[in-house]
Amino acid sequence: DADVTQTPRNRITKTGKRIMLECSQTKGHDRMYWYRQDPGLGLRLIYYSFDVKDINKGEISDGYSVSRQAQAKFSLSLESAIPNQTALYFCATSDSRKTGGDGYTFGSGTRLTVV
Amino acid sequence: GEDVEQSLFLSVREGDSSVINCTYTDSSSTYLYWYKQEPGAGLQLLTYIFSNMDMKQDQRLTVLLNKKDKHLSLRIADTQTGDSAIYFCAEISPGGGNKLTFGTGTQLKVEL
Repeated sequence: DADVTQTPRNRITKTGKRIMLECSQTKGHDRMYWYRQDPGLGLRLIYYSFDVKDINKGEISDGYSVSRQAQAKFSLSLESAIPNQTALYFCATSDSRKTGGDGYTFGSGTRLTVV
Repeated sequence: GEDVEQSLFLSVREGDSSVINCTYTDSSSTYLYWYKQEPGAGLQLLTYIFSNMDMKQDQRLTVLLNKKDKHLSLRIADTQTGDSAIYFCAEISPGGGNKLTFGTGTQLKVEL
């Protein structure tokens, strides 16, 4: 089983619909992140959470919300999807107790298309 | 804020060396990373370097860090077709809230 699991892997949704992307991890990491990837723009941080009661906006949080239901679960919601939210979304985790050499562990991504 | 830049494309012949470059702006970066993304997959950590080092070698991979110029490079020796992927550099710093900031990614194409 993957250490960081994202569901769904692919999703097509209509403009205006609410959609939730889910992420769960078995790493035991305390920190979790949501990024979106667009061609030529790299990965941009949407939201991050350093523990269950800590939620922070990243550089592109408008139009998104998150929920940290447990240490192992971090979901991303699009309240009213719009076409420019079409992208590849990644969840990642890290351990605050480790030195930076471990980097982040990434899920396999959710490809979201808004039509 | 932090800014990390890379060229978008690189094409090399199989067996040649590849050099992927990255520049960053945050002088307080503590760790710098190289991630690889194969088609349809997530990001895989390839290697990293601590900011007080200037070189790190790991099998076919060599990372060079020039802190003065804020320049990071990844050299892949004897490049193979399986090395075709997108390569991202990333940095982490206290000034950036200890969050990873990624470059735009370099698409490496290995030709026969």
